[in-house]
Amino acid sequence: GENVEQHPSTLSVQEGDSAVIKCTYSDSASNYFPWYKQELGKRPQLIIDIRSNVGEKKDQRIAVTLNKTAKHFSLHITETQPEDSAVYFCAASEPNTGNQFYFGTGTSLTVIP
Amino acid sequence: SAVISQKPSRDICQRGTSLTIQCQVDSQVTMMFWYRQQPGQSLTLIATANQGSEATYESGFVIDKFPISRPNLTFSTLTVSNMSPEDSSIYLCSVNRGLGGYTFGSGTRLTVV
Repeated sequence: GENVEQHPSTLSVQEGDSAVIKCTYSDSASNYFPWYKQELGKRPQLIIDIRSNVGEKKDQRIAVTLNKTAKHFSLHITETQPEDSAVYFCAASEPNTGNQFYFGTGTSLTVIP
Repeated sequence: SAVISQKPSRDICQRGTSLTIQCQVDSQVTMMFWYRQQPGQSLTLIATANQGSEATYESGFVIDKFPISRPNLTFSTLTVSNMSPEDSSIYLCSVNRGLGGYTFGSGTRLTVV
């Protein structure tokens, strides 16, 4: 089955700096890669996703890049703000498993004002 | 996008008892997924619930411990049976929104004493 690894597990940045979170996956059949933000005590919320036919996707201050050859994808947050502080999870999904999601272990991001 | 109502939001239970968690979706969905999130950990898939058939359990999870019902396309329940303190966790249901990734219920925070 799919195995998703995520790094780093914790990340602290100064407000205004950029944050980068990286994930690797093992199953080359995976074709959908979402990122979720989970604030303390709340449910995970989808913030951005990318499909395997695209190399990069951007939405305001967040962007995701995908390298299918290397089987890794990354989340980039620019101009970080304190409200970006949360746990971020990457995930991979491949159609052969009924589109089940396999989650990374999470990154706890702290943006220091 | 699908809206999921999950209840209870939290409960404190005695060991040896069982708790049933309910999820109601505001639209018909083929598959519903049940996840467990232990404190400070990522989301682990327990099982996939399909309407009209038995749930499919992931490695490490068994039907006797986590029986699931899926009586129709908008509702599912997960029961945590014969609970022990190790079952203390957050349990989340989710549905696949197709091109839009997963939507999660608000979660059930279970504490077993």
